[in-house]
Amino acid sequence: QQQVKQSPQSLIVQKGGISIINCAYENTAFDYFPWYQQFPGKGPALLIAIRPDVSEKKEGRFTISFNKSAKQFSLHIMDSQPGDSATYFCAASHGSSNTGKLIFGQGTTLQVKP
Amino acid sequence: GAVVSQHPSWVICKSGTSVKIECRSLDFQATTMFWYRQFPKQSLMLMATSNEGSKATYEQGVEKDKFLINHASLTLSTLTVTSAHPEDSSFYICSASHPQGKRAFFGQGTRLTVV
Repeated sequence: QQQVKQSPQSLIVQKGGISIINCAYENTAFDYFPWYQQFPGKGPALLIAIRPDVSEKKEGRFTISFNKSAKQFSLHIMDSQPGDSATYFCAASHGSSNTGKLIFGQGTTLQVKP
Repeated sequence: GAVVSQHPSWVICKSGTSVKIECRSLDFQATTMFWYRQFPKQSLMLMATSNEGSKATYEQGVEKDKFLINHASLTLSTLTVTSAHPEDSSFYICSASHPQGKRAFFGQGTRLTVV
């Protein structure tokens, strides 16, 4: 019940295209859903995050769509660029005082072709 | 944004020795820090929650005597891998919860290789 399932495992997108990564969770107590970007040999960096009281959040080229009833959320990267090539992790946590304790999805390796 | 620094970035040690990894929050005080472990091409697995001034809380299956965590100040948590073995070789990453908004900021990670 603590798992966060992420798909696809890998994704190849042409430059300018839309990258879509999906995550699903079981624990309805989760109330914070961030997305992280990780480059090889580096720690993850927060991209964007959402709480269940909204269905969508957009920051620049990155959008999170959240479906509370389906317990699913997704990351959309618009106008994907080669510099976006990285591994992306969705995550979830619960408890407003403990958003650092994150349960991560399995990760998606994104390759954006020039 | 807030900065979390890990040291060292990489370390090679001999089997049987102990290695200490430091995690510092440079521009904020963190009462809670977290330690994760990541194997190649895999996700981050939470090892333990480090609370300033108290004992760490370990996740199921993580040996507390193997992975010693100390959170002696509001800006520093350390992870000591004791009696390291080759199977302990991994990427260790810490994060710190910012007191405002409780967002987690990650260090750059430490690559541990035990030979």
